[in-house]
Amino acid sequence: KAGVTQTPRYLIKTRGQQVTLSCSPISGHRSVSWYQQTPGQGLQFLFEYFSETQRNKGNFPGRFSGRQFSNSRSEMNVSTLELGDSALYLCASSLVAGTNTGELFFGEGSRLTVL
Amino acid sequence: EDKVVQSPLSLVVHEGDTVTLNCSYEVTNFRSLLWYKQEKKAPTFLFMLTSSGIEKKSGRLSSILDKKELSSILNITATQTGDSAIYLCAVEMATSYDKVIFGPGTSLSVIP
Repeated sequence: KAGVTQTPRYLIKTRGQQVTLSCSPISGHRSVSWYQQTPGQGLQFLFEYFSETQRNKGNFPGRFSGRQFSNSRSEMNVSTLELGDSALYLCASSLVAGTNTGELFFGEGSRLTVL
Repeated sequence: EDKVVQSPLSLVVHEGDTVTLNCSYEVTNFRSLLWYKQEKKAPTFLFMLTSSGIEKKSGRLSSILDKKELSSILNITATQTGDSAIYLCAVEMATSYDKVIFGPGTSLSVIP
């Protein structure tokens, strides 16, 4: 069974540009969550999607957006990139919204560097 | 504001030592507390603790939830170099739609 797949794994952008990251959850999983990880801040919750609907949103500016498709694949977009957006962006999937077993399945992440 | 705090943020020990990692939380509608291990990129699940399961053990790792003190500890006995990782504590909240928030993590380095 394939795990959570995130693309691209690494990317470098310059300030002002925009970026789109992709996440394919484990087959059958309908919930996808996105987290930003930076040293010292840990994993900061961005948003969570279930059945193409955003159900939870963290405290990030509107430059951060996302969507989920009918096949449960999800994308997140960051517009007008700032240096502080440099981070590891992790996607996690679970069978349903919330975790009856407590287990989120994480992808390897997309490492974004903003110059 | 909901938050999860971990201490220490980093720790260096020698092989064979026993370590205790701490996690405390202030959240609305607590549902469960989760521990994850992150070695390189993808965090992997260790334990889930709830009101009905406040103590878990797996090999050299064990964890206890103190609902009164709103905290949890993760113990690792007889540490090995393979235990070097970031240990993440997270709390799941039973909001309108369940939400999981993470603490900053504890970076553990086990040296030979």
